[in-house]
Amino acid sequence: QQQVKQSPQSLIVQKGGISIINCAYENTAFDYFPWYQQFPGKGPALLIAIRPDVSEKKEGRFTISFNKSAKQFSLHIMDSQPGDSATYFCAASHSGGGADGLTFGKGTHLIIQP
Amino acid sequence: DSGVTQTPKHLITATGQRVTLRCSPRSGDLSVYWYQQSLDQGLQFLIHYYNGEERAKGNILERFSAQQFPDLHSELNLSSLELGDSALYFCASSRLAGANNEQFFGPGTRLTVL
Repeated sequence: QQQVKQSPQSLIVQKGGISIINCAYENTAFDYFPWYQQFPGKGPALLIAIRPDVSEKKEGRFTISFNKSAKQFSLHIMDSQPGDSATYFCAASHSGGGADGLTFGKGTHLIIQP
Repeated sequence: DSGVTQTPKHLITATGQRVTLRCSPRSGDLSVYWYQQSLDQGLQFLIHYYNGEERAKGNILERFSAQQFPDLHSELNLSSLELGDSALYFCASSRLAGANNEQFFGPGTRLTVL
């Protein structure tokens, strides 16, 4: 059972454009939603995270939008740059599960064309 | 560099064999998580240790086991290896227990089972 569904699988955006990646979750106990960025040959690195008590969080060019009623959240990358080309993973966890690991989406391979 | 180290970087072995993957967490981090990344299953949580004790299990096979030592480094043992065990294995560390704490991923160990 895939608890976090991520789309699209791959995405090509022109330099300067907006990249949008969407995720939907099933487990209503989830209360922490991070996004990870992974470059080839490297481990995932935390990009930005949100908790469900806010609907939006912005850090630089990266914004998470969160819709609790729809059980959806998305990552927006403004003014996308070639250096943003990477694989992006949404994830979720719940504090009630305390020690559980992250549940990841399948990932989005993002290419920013110069 | 996340501060998490993993050895070896690459491991090639045969079916039926047993291997040990090693992870050293960031200085001061008490939690170690193990994840498996494969093309078909994506990133999956395997197991979590906190200060030497097992805290949670995810999709970990019975052929796999782990432990965390007094110096907080962790080892993941994979036995009776099958072709399908070929994957990237990541460990991540965080300051405390609870998946809501930021997890820092190591560079991974690429396991190839022939």
